[in-house]
Amino acid sequence: AQSVTQLDSQVPVFEEAPVELRCNYSSSVSVYLFWYVQYPNQGLQLLLKYLSGSTLVKGINGFEAEFNKSQTSFHLRKPSVHISDTAEYFCAVSFSGGYNKLIFGAGTRLAVHP
Amino acid sequence: DGGITQSPKYLFRKEGQNVTLSCEQNLNHDAMYWYRQDPGQGLRLIYYSQIVNDFQKGDIAEGYSVSREKKESFPLTVTSAQKNPTAFYLCASSIEKISYNEQFFGPGTRLTVL
Repeated sequence: AQSVTQLDSQVPVFEEAPVELRCNYSSSVSVYLFWYVQYPNQGLQLLLKYLSGSTLVKGINGFEAEFNKSQTSFHLRKPSVHISDTAEYFCAVSFSGGYNKLIFGAGTRLAVHP
Repeated sequence: DGGITQSPKYLFRKEGQNVTLSCEQNLNHDAMYWYRQDPGQGLRLIYYSQIVNDFQKGDIAEGYSVSREKKESFPLTVTSAQKNPTAFYLCASSIEKISYNEQFFGPGTRLTVL
């Protein structure tokens, strides 16, 4: 069965420090991978996506993620966070073939402190 | 500007009442989705529709109903049969005819049952 695991429910970090939010998936078929961000009481906004090609994907707001097929991971990174990056981050996976379902992880709350 | 609108942003209802949440999109997307979000649980799929006049149950459809009479609109009714309806509800849409499933989200409706 396909699934997505976000390994940390909360990540506290100081402003200007680097951050990594971890995401692992389980699938027997090819995948497409997404990271979304959600600010309080708002909808989800796409940060970046991996469809094919280069395994290092750059997104908005200085975020990037690396697809690692052998480790079935798609970790999100930012070299220097800002207070405004405080939000909930969701990893999501869709699978090639069949119904286009998007499976979401439980989310990671990033809290950036001054 | 193309996008997804949800109304109202906040909704209060008394126990035993049905309530309908609105979702409209002008992105010309074929597929539309409804998700429920509870703290610490990520997003759970309620219903989805890939084409007008057709829709399927998601993972937690009990106590909910939908209709898809127009491509642009996918209203969700929360019925009195839904045992715990207080939650944040998100509507999304996607282009159906592509292999991956990048979804675009509305701003959400927060439903509180008094």
